[in-house]
Amino acid sequence: KAGVTQTPRYLIKTRGQQVTLSCSPISGHRSVSWYQQTPGQGLQFLFEYFSETQRNKGNFPGRFSGRQFSNSRSEMNVSTLELGDSALYLCASSPSGQGTIETQYFGPGTRLLVL
Amino acid sequence: ILNVEQSPQSLHVQEGDSTNFTCSFPSSNFYALHWYRWETAKSPEALFVMTLNGDEKKKGRISATLNTKEGYSYLYIKGSQPEDSATYLCAFLRTGNQFYFGTGTSLTVIP
Repeated sequence: KAGVTQTPRYLIKTRGQQVTLSCSPISGHRSVSWYQQTPGQGLQFLFEYFSETQRNKGNFPGRFSGRQFSNSRSEMNVSTLELGDSALYLCASSPSGQGTIETQYFGPGTRLLVL
Repeated sequence: ILNVEQSPQSLHVQEGDSTNFTCSFPSSNFYALHWYRWETAKSPEALFVMTLNGDEKKKGRISATLNTKEGYSYLYIKGSQPEDSATYLCAFLRTGNQFYFGTGTSLTVIP
């Protein structure tokens, strides 16, 4: 079974630009969660999508948005990039998602650098 | 804001030493605690899912215990090997809610 994939793996943008990151979950998994990791911080939850609907949202500004497609692939968009958005962005998939005890399976991450 | 704390932040041990680290979490509305292992340049990988007070899980030389009443979990590694070098993350799941991750314990095993 193929694992979770994320594209691109690395990205350099400048302040004010926008960026879209993609996540393809494990086949059959309907939940995709997004996390941000910055130095010294744990993984910070951004949002979770299940069956094309946002089910949970973390404490991030509206510049961070996402969506999920009918094949469960998910995209995350950050508009008007700020320097502080430089981080590793991880997505994780599971069959039924957060609120259950299921293990989350993580992708390798997209490292975003904002200059 | 919900706090999940892990200690120590980092640890250097000699090959063959046994070690342990702690994950502290709120004791109310507990649903589950997950442990992950995250090697450099790889994806976090699940180690254990713990749900019941008093749970003990074991996988090879790694084991974990859970105390939901006092809000902590211990991860033990017996006879550490260089391949155990990684960051160990715990994730607290509150009833019907999202995961809250600790900042991790970075373990380096010196050959």
